[in-house]
Amino acid sequence: DVKVTQSSRYLVKRTGEKVFLECVQDMDHENMFWYRQDPGLGLRLIYFSYDVKMKEKGDIPEGYSVSREKKERFSLILESASTNQTSMYLCASSLYGRGASYNEQFFGPGTRLTVL
Amino acid sequence: KNEVEQSPQNLTAQEGEFITINCSYSVGISALHWLQQHPGGGIVSLFMLSSGKKKHGRLIATINIQEKHSSLHITASHPRDSAVYICAVRSAGGTSYGKLTFGQGTILTVHP
Repeated sequence: DVKVTQSSRYLVKRTGEKVFLECVQDMDHENMFWYRQDPGLGLRLIYFSYDVKMKEKGDIPEGYSVSREKKERFSLILESASTNQTSMYLCASSLYGRGASYNEQFFGPGTRLTVL
Repeated sequence: KNEVEQSPQNLTAQEGEFITINCSYSVGISALHWLQQHPGGGIVSLFMLSSGKKKHGRLIATINIQEKHSSLHITASHPRDSAVYICAVRSAGGTSYGKLTFGQGTILTVHP
């Protein structure tokens, strides 16, 4: 059974704290993605990675960084958390390739982050 | 204008009703996905379409490539169908990274 796990379901942090969100997949997928989900805005891509140590900015990378030291693990880092980063954060993974079978993304359960 | 637009944004139905959620997109695509998200839960893939129609149980998804439009139908709706339904597209000719563009989601509530 394919699985994407995230380190926390709920997280409460204070403004200015450094925050790490971890994502692990066991499907040997090359691609990994970090999204945030806000009411009325849907899922927006923050960063993605297509290989170890490789990363690309998504649509809203400001205030975030990422790390991919191992193929199965993709970390999202909030260098100095702010209240406007309060959101649901979702990780996903997929195979690398152009064919239809590579299209499906598998999602983790999400981390609801509150920044006070 | 968003590249992927869903309608309606909110939908309330009585148990047993036939439900339709619509998705329109403005770019050429290689695939369209319908996803489901239950409250507090993760997201699961319902369908992946590049043409025609697919059926799984009470769920039916259709796509019209020429009109850039897809619909998700639920027959004989049930309260357990209450969830957020999300349309997402993969642009044609893109990279092999599989980036998706998402609609805002449709919140469906089915009352007993």
